[in-house]
Amino acid sequence: GNSVTQMEGPVTLSEEAFLTINCTYTATGYPSLFWYVQYPGEGLQLLLKATKADDKGSNKGFEATYRKETTSFHLEKGSVQVSDSAVYFCAPGPSGYSSASKIIFGSGTRLSIRP
Amino acid sequence: DTGVSQDPRHKITKRGQNVTFRCDPISEHNRLYWYRQTLGQGPEFLTYFQNEAQLEKSRLLSDRFSAERPKGSFSTLEIQRTEQGDSAMYLCASSRTGDNMNTEAFFGQGTRLTVV
Repeated sequence: GNSVTQMEGPVTLSEEAFLTINCTYTATGYPSLFWYVQYPGEGLQLLLKATKADDKGSNKGFEATYRKETTSFHLEKGSVQVSDSAVYFCAPGPSGYSSASKIIFGSGTRLSIRP
Repeated sequence: DTGVSQDPRHKITKRGQNVTFRCDPISEHNRLYWYRQTLGQGPEFLTYFQNEAQLEKSRLLSDRFSAERPKGSFSTLEIQRTEQGDSAMYLCASSRTGDNMNTEAFFGQGTRLTVV
């Protein structure tokens, strides 16, 4: 089955800093790749996704590129804001080209942004 | 559609009691998942349904846990003889699959269970 390893937190940055959260996965076939975000007191929300190699997912200034050769899906943002403070989860999931049946979550990376 | 809804949002129960949670997925979604999340951890997969068929159960799901999706729409998760270790957030998610296509999973707000 699929598995995922993501950068351990917590990560603390100043506002407007550059953010990278590393994520690597193992999978049979070619899974879809997701970043989910959990803001304080809220449920899990999809942040962005990529469904095939070299696809770039983007949303709210965040980006991640599906790298098949390195099995990675690192999350980046050029200038973080205080409102980005949350827990971020990298998650490989089912696709039409994978035998996987479910989304597998990493342990999450807690991000705190200082004003 | 208002998204995935879960009921109740919070449940406090005494050890040894049975509890049942309900999940209503997004209406056109044929796949429904249950996850459990404890503080500081990522969601752990429990089980999933494709329409009304329960296709996979995690080893985390002991005999005290049972899930159903009788008509392929809403689902229930029952925990019998609750233990303090069952205290967690129980998350439901749904997605649509078929013809080499899988959407992302959309999550409900969860049911927070506290066993005292």
